[in-house]
Amino acid sequence: GAVVSQHPSWVICKSGTSVKIECRSLDFQATTMFWYRQFPKQSLMLMATSNEGSKATYEQGVEKDKFLINHASLTLSTLTVTSAHPEDSSFYICSAVRDSEGYTFGSGTRLTVV
Amino acid sequence: GQNIDQPTEMTATEGAIVQINCTYQTSGFNGLFWYQQHAGEAPTFLSYNVLDGLEEKGRFSSFLSRSKGYSYLLLKELQMKDSASYLCAAPVSGTYKYIFGKGTRLKVLA
Repeated sequence: GAVVSQHPSWVICKSGTSVKIECRSLDFQATTMFWYRQFPKQSLMLMATSNEGSKATYEQGVEKDKFLINHASLTLSTLTVTSAHPEDSSFYICSAVRDSEGYTFGSGTRLTVV
Repeated sequence: GQNIDQPTEMTATEGAIVQINCTYQTSGFNGLFWYQQHAGEAPTFLSYNVLDGLEEKGRFSSFLSRSKGYSYLLLKELQMKDSASYLCAAPVSGTYKYIFGKGTRLKVLA
C-alpha cells in the first residue's frame, strides 16, 4: 500500500530555534499533502494544505510566517517551525491522498520545545 | 459549519462488543472515515462509508445513516490491543481536507 515517510519521529529543541520536519511519499506522487497538529487528547487540526510547485494554503489562525511549508517536488513536503516556543510543542503529522482509503498518514513527529 | 461529535471515552471488557457512535454535520457529504490511533502513533485506516448501511470487515464493522448524520463503529471480540483512540472523520465537500472528531479513547479491560 501507499507509504508516507515522516522524519524525524521526535525532536527536542531550544526555544527560539527552528525545526524542519520532512514528509515524503515513497511509492507514489503526491501533488497535495496536508499538515495536521494534534495536542494531547485533542483532535487532529488541519494547519495547511501543501501544494507542489505553489504556495501552501493555511487554515485560519495558523501563522504562515511561523510554519513555513515547502513542497518542491512531487514526493517531498517540508514543514519548518520557526522560532519555536514551548506552546508549539505538539504532535505534527502529514498526510497524502492516494486511493479510496483516503489519507495515508506519515508516522508523525513529536516536537518538544524547551 | 461543520462539526463531528463522538464520545470522549469508553471502557469495555476483553471479548465483548463495543459500539462507538459519531454524529456529523457537514456541508455536502463525501463519505465518512474511521481511523484507529494508538498513543503517540499515526492514525491507521479502518473503514470508509459513503452509502447507507453496514460495512463489515473482520472484527470491525461500520454503519452509516446519511439522513440522520450518524455513523457507528462496531468492534467485536475485543482484544487488549484494541485499546486506542478511534477517530471519526469527514472530508470537506469538494476538497481532500478532513474534519476530525476529537476521538473516542477506548480502554479494554482484562
